[in-house]
Amino acid sequence: GAVVSQHPSRVICKSGTSVKIECRSLDFQATTMFWYRQFPKQSLMLMATSNEGSKATYEQGVEKDKFLINHASLTLSTLTVTSAHPEDSSFYICSAREMTGPTDQPQHFGDGTRLSIL
Amino acid sequence: DQQVKQNSPSLSVQEGRISILNCDYTNSMFDYFLWYKKYPAEGPTFLISISSIKDKNEDGRFTVFLNKSAKHLSLHIVPSQPGDSAVYFCAASVAGGSEKLVFGKGTKLTVNP
Repeated sequence: GAVVSQHPSRVICKSGTSVKIECRSLDFQATTMFWYRQFPKQSLMLMATSNEGSKATYEQGVEKDKFLINHASLTLSTLTVTSAHPEDSSFYICSAREMTGPTDQPQHFGDGTRLSIL
Repeated sequence: DQQVKQNSPSLSVQEGRISILNCDYTNSMFDYFLWYKKYPAEGPTFLISISSIKDKNEDGRFTVFLNKSAKHLSLHIVPSQPGDSAVYFCAASVAGGSEKLVFGKGTKLTVNP
């Protein structure tokens, strides 16, 4: 089945640090990947849609200069949290959908990254 | 505005019985619905989906029912097994699964042996 790998699984760092999270589709190609954030006891909220070879589309209220997204290849998207502060502490998770086949295919998720900013 | 609602934060069921998880939505433009299962420290795993042209989809022990007029869908698991214990998320999208997903807050299912 479709596998999405996300790395690292956990990051603890000081305030002001920039953190890069990688999302890879291991056995399929994905022109589109999605980045979500989940706060405790809340639903997953879409932050941005990452498009291979073009700029990401950010949801309302998400700072694009704060959360830099790069989708350099059909199997890799990265999210960089720049100058992270304690309020950025959250669970970040990516997903991808296979680019071939019927359009109503599900998104497959990575295992997420727990980011803790001290 | 919560477009996808899972009003039961938790559900406890005896092994072998049926588990019914419910989900309501408000956006009539949604035409593709999915259920994901999530274990702690892992990402959501796709379970089953249904498009708006159907009212039922079945896959083994899992069946999803869609009532478009009521804007309601449910996931039935029968028979329930202890390994089914997890958080279940309902999600919806417009224009097929390629578009962004809107998630509910999840329902924690506990299946007791």
